Amino acid sequence: QVQLVQSGAEVKKPGASVKVSCKASGYTFTGYYMHWVRQAPGQGLEWMGRINPNSGGTNYAQKFQGRVTMTRDTSISTAYMELSRLRSDDTAVYYCARVKYGDFYFDLWGRGTLVTVSS
Amino acid sequence: QSALTQPASVSGSPGQSITISCTGTSSDVGSYNLVSWYQQHPGKAPKLMIYEGSKRPSGVSNRFSGSKSGNTASLTISGLQAEDEADYYCCSYAGSSPNWVFGGGTKLTVL
Repeated sequence: QVQLVQSGAEVKKPGASVKVSCKASGYTFTGYYMHWVRQAPGQGLEWMGRINPNSGGTNYAQKFQGRVTMTRDTSISTAYMELSRLRSDDTAVYYCARVKYGDFYFDLWGRGTLVTVSS
Repeated sequence: QSALTQPASVSGSPGQSITISCTGTSSDVGSYNLVSWYQQHPGKAPKLMIYEGSKRPSGVSNRFSGSKSGNTASLTISGLQAEDEADYYCCSYAGSSPNWVFGGGTKLTVL
């Protein structure tokens, strides 16, 4: 069925990097942008950026510029989000969510990946 | 880009109607008819409830409706049911770069 399956929870030390994967199935991976949204514990949703799986082109929220890298592997319909120089306030659930080309809303979400940053 | 402003909480009894507001600026909500609303139950991923201000995806109850006036969007839930108890987030496309901005979320309690 149509779904986004994310990688498992991670525990990282401050200053390290984390790479989260999001595997798409049941639809044409290159037909939708893949966005990343995070949610700190007990907090709201925060948009991080998106990748065009067709071209590999990316757009990042200003807050994450220089620390986030979004990539994809079209051969396995998987998108990746890597966040570097982790801080304790990066502890959050990271979601991937798709947006159809020409649309501006997230119609399918992954279940989320908890990233805990702790010394 | 600042977050959109939502009330922290709203409540209502079963069968009643409630409205959640979402206030932005002329750079986001006011400039585009591209507000979407998401429902999130504890420990679950968000679910799309309304898109492009007032459109419902297939499978979403017609008890959910959306509207916009100026820089403020609203989500109305009529005929409240226990299963509607959840957090609700608004989101607007905000142009420049491009960029999306979320509201801080509203906790709906069904009394």
